[in-house]
Amino acid sequence: AQRVTQPEKLLSVFKGAPVELKCNYSYSGSPELFWYVQYSRQRLQLLLRHISRESIKGFTADLNKGETSFHLKKPFAQEEDSAMYYCALNAGGYNKLIFGAGTRLAVHP
Amino acid sequence: DAGVIQSPRHEVTEMGQEVTLRCKPISGHDYLFWYRQTMMRGLELLIYFNNNVPIDDSGMPEDRFSAKMPNASFSTLKIQPSEPRDSAVYFCASSPQVTYNEQFFGPGTRLTVL
Repeated sequence: AQRVTQPEKLLSVFKGAPVELKCNYSYSGSPELFWYVQYSRQRLQLLLRHISRESIKGFTADLNKGETSFHLKKPFAQEEDSAMYYCALNAGGYNKLIFGAGTRLAVHP
Repeated sequence: DAGVIQSPRHEVTEMGQEVTLRCKPISGHDYLFWYRQTMMRGLELLIYFNNNVPIDDSGMPEDRFSAKMPNASFSTLKIQPSEPRDSAVYFCASSPQVTYNEQFFGPGTRLTVL
C-alpha cells in the first residue's frame, strides 16, 4: 500500500537550532516526493521536490531509497519557519498526491 | 491571477442540511483535486478530476459526499445530509497536465456542522 508517515505531530525548537522533520514512505516503485508547507493564514504551497535537488529557504531534503525516507532538514531554524509541513508522495504519475499527517514546526525565540 | 478560488470561506450549518462547496481552478489547469484536512487525519484526498472527468473517488468517505465538474472552470463538492463529523477544512487544488507537477491550493472552506 502507498503510505506516507510523519511520526511527529509537533516539533518544537529554538531559533538557530538544527531542524529535521521526518518522513517515511511506502511504495514499491520509483517515488516522486514533495514537501508542502502551510504558514499561518496562508495557502498550502510547494516547498521543494526531490527531483529538483534544490535548497529552498535553507531547507533541503534527500531521498534515501534504502531507508524509504525523505527527511526535511535545515541547519539553523528561524522563527519564520514556524508552519505546518506536509510530506507528499506521487506514486502514480497522474499528479495524485498522498500526504502524510503533517508536522507542526514551532521555532521559539 | 487570483489562483484557485473557493467559496464560501466559512460555512456553519446544522446536522442534516445540504452543504455545497465551490471551486474555480486556475485557468488552463487540467487536474482538479478535493482534499479534507482534519487535526486527526491531516490532509486526505477525496477525489480528483482530469479534464472534467472523475479519475479516482476512492477517498470519498461515503455516499453522502458527491463531486461534480461540469466544465473546466468550476467544480462542486456536496454533502447531503451533513453530519458533525464532516466538520473540517476542505481544500481544492489544481495542477497542469504535466506529470509530477506542483499542485496549487485554494484558501480552503472551513465547514462546521452543528
